[in-house]
This record gives sequence, structure tokens and C-alpha cells, in this order.
Amino acid sequence: KAGVTQTPRYLIKTRGQQVTLSCSPISGHRSVSWYQQTPGQGLQFLFEYFSETQRNKGNFPGRFSGRQFSNSRSEMNVSTLELGDSALYLCASTTGGELFFGEGSRLTVL
Amino acid sequence: GIQVEQSPPDLILQEGANSTLRCNFSDSVNNLQWFHQNPWGQLINLFYIPSGTKQNGRLSATTVATERYSLLYISSSQTTDSGVYFCAGRGATNKLIFGTGTLLAVQP
Repeated sequence: KAGVTQTPRYLIKTRGQQVTLSCSPISGHRSVSWYQQTPGQGLQFLFEYFSETQRNKGNFPGRFSGRQFSNSRSEMNVSTLELGDSALYLCASTTGGELFFGEGSRLTVL
Repeated sequence: GIQVEQSPPDLILQEGANSTLRCNFSDSVNNLQWFHQNPWGQLINLFYIPSGTKQNGRLSATTVATERYSLLYISSSQTTDSGVYFCAGRGATNKLIFGTGTLLAVQP
């Protein structure tokens, strides 16, 4: 059974640009959540989707958005990138309360 | 919001030693899990342990939900156990809250 797949794995952007990250959950999992990891703030919850509906949202500015498609794949978008958005972005799919993480997308903003 | 404190923050062990990592929650949580973050950043599931005790090889975990803490035991540590260990749980807002992590270094 394939795990959680995140693309791209690495990317470099400049300030002011936008970025879209993709996450394909484990087959059969309908819940997807996103997290940001930085050295200063640790692991922080961004948002969670279930059956195409945002179920929960963390304390991030409106520049951070996401969505989920009918096949449970999810995307998150960050607009008007800032240097502080440089981070590892992790996606997880959930079943029965247990989370399974992908390998992450490492974003560097220059 | 809920605070999740992990101790110790850093730990250096010689190969073969045993260790106990602790996770304390400031309030009740559900769906407690332990993860090991590998050098490439991926969070690897160790245990899904809302309560009770589980064992998997050299690792075991115990959660005492009524006292708001969880313990991760590593026995006969190996260099491949090195990395950061996180606990996480869902609070009343149903958001997953991560602990601050324990950085483990196992020396040969």
C-alpha cells in the first residue's frame, strides 16, 4: 500500500512569489492535514480537510490556503511568499485517529 | 492552548544503553502518537497510543491519560535510533499539537 506522497520535495522561490504544494493520501484515507516545521516554531498545524471540507484551521495568515479534491488529494498554497515561510511542510493522512506523514516539501524563500 | 512539554530536550547515549523519553500535556488530549523524525525530515510512526502500553521490538510506550503524560522507552539503543522524537495529541479544539521534541544522539 503506497504511503503519503508529497510533491515537490524541494523548491526554491523568491519573496513575493506564490507556491502550491501537493499531497496524495494513503488510499482510502479521506482526511488530510498540513503542518509547518521551522527551527524557531517547531511543528505547527496549518489546516485539516475531510471529504473536501476544511474541518479545522491553525493560526496562520490568510496567505496560507488549502483545498481537497474529490479523490482526497490535497493542495496547499502560499501567496506573497516571505522569508519566514521557509520551512518543511508536512502532510498527513488520517484513519481512525492515527496520522501517517509524507516525506515533506522543503521550501526555501530567497 | 494546550502546552506539550517533552523531556529531556537532548540526550546522548552510548550504543546499547536504555532511555526513557517523557511527554507531559497541560490538559487532556486524545489520539496520542509518538513519532521519530528521520534525517530527511519524515515523521515515522512509532506508536498510536491514546492509553495503555504497547511494545514494538526494542521500543515500548505507555500513556496515562488521566495523569496527562506518556513515556517512550528505548532499550538497547542503536545508532539508527538517533534523531528527534516527537509526541503529539489532539486537544479540545481537535487540532493536533506537537511537543517540543527530544533530540537523541546514540554514539557507537
